Amino acid sequence: GENVEQHPSTLSVQEGDSAVIKCTYSDSASNYFPWYKQELGKRPQLIIDIRSNVGEKKDQRIAVTLNKTAKHFSLHITETQPEDSAVYFCAASYYGNNRLAFGKGNQVVVIP
Amino acid sequence: DGGITQSPKYLFRKEGQNVTLSCEQNLNHDAMYWYRQDPGQGLRLIYYSQIVNDFQKGDIAEGYSVSREKKESFPLTVTSAQKNPTAFYLCASNPGGGNSPLHFGNGTRLTVT
Repeated sequence: GENVEQHPSTLSVQEGDSAVIKCTYSDSASNYFPWYKQELGKRPQLIIDIRSNVGEKKDQRIAVTLNKTAKHFSLHITETQPEDSAVYFCAASYYGNNRLAFGKGNQVVVIP
Repeated sequence: DGGITQSPKYLFRKEGQNVTLSCEQNLNHDAMYWYRQDPGQGLRLIYYSQIVNDFQKGDIAEGYSVSREKKESFPLTVTSAQKNPTAFYLCASNPGGGNSPLHFGNGTRLTVT
């Protein structure tokens, strides 16, 4: 099955700086890559996703890039704010499978 | 929350007892999922169902059981055979039929002593 790994496990950034989280996946058939944000004690919420027919997607301060050849995708957060502090999960799946494989999560801490 | 309701929020049980976690959705989604979350372990899939009266084992199904008698409901039973049941359990749903985002409930924190 699909195996998804996230690096680094913890990331501390100064407010206003950028944060980048990278995920690698193992199954070359995977074609859907969402990112979820989970604040302490709350449910994960989708923040952005990308499909394999595009290489990059942006939504305000958040962007995701995909490198299918290297089998990795990254989350970029610009101009970080304290409310960006959370655990971020990446995931991967392929059409017809309909089950997501999640990474173990990254703790992002934005220092005011 | 967001169309998926999990209850209760906190649940305490004695070792050796079976316990059932509730999950209800009003999003008209075909597919429903149960995940277990432990610190540093991410989200691990227990069971999922793509249609009523059908479900499949996920990666860590041992010690758990589910049913899907109604489209809106996907209860999870944690049996006494589950060796480490204390965890945060998340239910999710999506329209199914292909890759689409998961909508999560607020979770149930189960503590077994």
